[in-house]
Amino acid sequence: GESVGLHLPTLSVQEGDNSIINCAYSNSASDYFIWYKQESGKGPQFIIDIRSNMDKRQGQRVTVLLNKTVKHLSLQIAATQPGDSAVYFCAENWRDSSYKLIFGSGTRLLVRP
Amino acid sequence: EAGVTQSPTHLIKTRGQQATLRCSPISGHTSVYWYQQALGLGLQFLLWYDEGEERNRGNFPPRFSGRQFPNYSSELNVNALELEDSALYLCASSYNRGRGNQPQHFGDGTRLSIL
Repeated sequence: GESVGLHLPTLSVQEGDNSIINCAYSNSASDYFIWYKQESGKGPQFIIDIRSNMDKRQGQRVTVLLNKTVKHLSLQIAATQPGDSAVYFCAENWRDSSYKLIFGSGTRLLVRP
Repeated sequence: EAGVTQSPTHLIKTRGQQATLRCSPISGHTSVYWYQQALGLGLQFLLWYDEGEERNRGNFPPRFSGRQFPNYSSELNVNALELEDSALYLCASSYNRGRGNQPQHFGDGTRLSIL
């Protein structure tokens, strides 16, 4: 397969704090990136996307930063809530005329009350 | 708006059998994607269908196949099931026509267990 092997790092934060989840993507030719949230027993839920012609995009309580120089993507969650506890995946699309997504290994976010 | 729906929720098969998984995309979406999420391996791309045609497939053997129907729903078929096929199979849909990359929206998957 093309996805990275899963070792699932964990980020533990206090409720109300800001969270930053990082992702190193694999292909310098990738031109589209998505963050997904996956709760136990459910499919991935779209959070936010960004195209390679941007370096920052904001949504509701979330911000995605893209650094193409070092092939790094981050998701910032403001005022983290217990409902934010989940596994977060970044995904990239290789510019190869296919819309398939290549997923990162995921980060588990635990929010302490 | 109804999301992506998949059936069945759970499927139990034995080695050598065949499995059929079904997916209904979000209304208006023409592309359907299948991914496999095996324990400890993350999500791996399987197949992409658009306008009834297979557009791309991942690094999986030919016993993984599927099709897309005129109403854009899709089936994933897995023949000669092996123990390592046990996984969560996720379907996603998007509408890309003339719009380039668009977010893929996922269903909650079919949990396939091979005994």
